[in-house]
Amino acid sequence: DAMVIQNPRYQVTQFGKPVTLSCSQTLNHNVMYWYQQKSSQAPKLLFHYYDKDFNNEADTPDNFQSRRPNTSFCFLDIRSPGLGDAAMYLCATSRGHNEQFFGPGTRLTVL
Amino acid sequence: GDSVTQMEGPVTLSEEAFLTINCTYTATGYPSLFWYVQYPGEGLQLLLKATKADDKGSNKGFEATYRKETTSFHLEKGSVQVSDSAVYFCALSRQRAGRRALTFGSGTRLQVQP
Repeated sequence: DAMVIQNPRYQVTQFGKPVTLSCSQTLNHNVMYWYQQKSSQAPKLLFHYYDKDFNNEADTPDNFQSRRPNTSFCFLDIRSPGLGDAAMYLCATSRGHNEQFFGPGTRLTVL
Repeated sequence: GDSVTQMEGPVTLSEEAFLTINCTYTATGYPSLFWYVQYPGEGLQLLLKATKADDKGSNKGFEATYRKETTSFHLEKGSVQVSDSAVYFCALSRQRAGRRALTFGSGTRLQVQP
C-alpha cells in the first residue's frame, strides 16, 4: 500500500544534542510537510517543500531545518533541541494543493 | 487570519449514542473543510472533506455539511462505537500566497464507553 513512513516512531535525545527525524513516502507526491504537535494541541506547520522549493513558516525557529534530497525522502533536523521541543512530529504529503496524507508521527523526548 | 474553533472536550458518550462535534471557521474566500481523526499514538487520518458550500462529506457513518451562511462544519454520527474513541480535528484549507495551508482547530477528544 502507498503510504507515508516515519522513522523512528520514538526518539530520545539529550538537551542540545542534534537530532534528525526521517520521513519517506511511496505516494509519489510532490509536496511534503513537517508539523509539530505538542500534547493536547493542534498540529502546527513548521515548513514544507513544494517540489524542491522550501517554504518556511514565519514563526518557525531557526533551530529547525529541513532537507529533501529526493522526491521520496524529507528530513527534519533539530540543531540544538530544548525541553520545549519535545513533541510529536508529523510528516504529511500531498499532490499539489490537494488533501494531505499524514504519517504515524515521531514522538521526540528531550532529556 | 484564518482560524478554526471546535467545541472543547472530552466528549464522553455511551455506545450507540448520537454524536455532534461543533466546528466553526473564519476565513476569507472559499476554503475547503476537513475532519481528521487521530487514534492514540498515531498520525492524522482524513475522515471526510467538503470543498464548497452545501457539500456533505461522509465516511464510516460520519457526516458533515459545509454551511457557508453559518461558517460551520459540524461532525455528526448517528450511533457511535467504542472504536470511534479518538481525537477529532476540524481543519480548513485555503489558497494563499500561491500555496494551500491547513489550519487546524484545537481538537476534540471523544471517549465512547461500552
